[in-house]
Amino acid sequence: GAVVSQHPSWVICKSGTSVKIECRSLDFQATTMFWYRQFPKQSLMLMATSNEGSKATYEQGVEKDKFLINHASLTLSTLTVTSAHPEDSSFYICSARSSSASEKLFFGSGTQLSVL
Amino acid sequence: GENVEQHPSTLSVQEGDSAVIKCTYSDSASNYFPWYKQELGKRPQLIIDIRSNVGEKKDQRIAVTLNKTAKHFSLHITETQPEDSAVYFCAASVTGNQFYFGTGTSLTVIP
Repeated sequence: GAVVSQHPSWVICKSGTSVKIECRSLDFQATTMFWYRQFPKQSLMLMATSNEGSKATYEQGVEKDKFLINHASLTLSTLTVTSAHPEDSSFYICSARSSSASEKLFFGSGTQLSVL
Repeated sequence: GENVEQHPSTLSVQEGDSAVIKCTYSDSASNYFPWYKQELGKRPQLIIDIRSNVGEKKDQRIAVTLNKTAKHFSLHITETQPEDSAVYFCAASVTGNQFYFGTGTSLTVIP
């Protein structure tokens, strides 16, 4: 199957700093990428849909100024958590859908963010 | 929008027994239904999927059934093994649009 690479896998930061998470599709072009947040033992909560070359579409309740998403190319989307606070600590995971096989969704390995 | 419900939230079975997880969806336009397996701290992995023009699909010990009229689909795992222990998520999607996930089922296979 297609490979989606996500980095970093784990990050610890101080409150007030910003953290950037990268999501790359390695062997396919991804016109659409999704960003999810997952709390322990809970489901995947969609934060935003990222389309290459256009602004991301955010789900209700997700602050677009806090969670900046950039999808500058067909293989890379980034999520920046700005001015992180302890309540932002979570597992963030991206997924990508191939432009040629738009049905299937492939996930990155996730980023565990801990804000002190 | 789409609403996907998944039951049960936890499931324990003896090794060798079968496990069944059920999901319902609300949007009749949904036409693609994947199932994902997620081990602790790892990415969800697609294990099987079904399209709305098919009623059942099987892959070795895993099968999925779909009832479009009732808007529900189920995952069946036969001859369960300890390595099947994980969290399973169902999802519903209209091709080309976003995916909506169920709340997950934590499956424990007891040796």
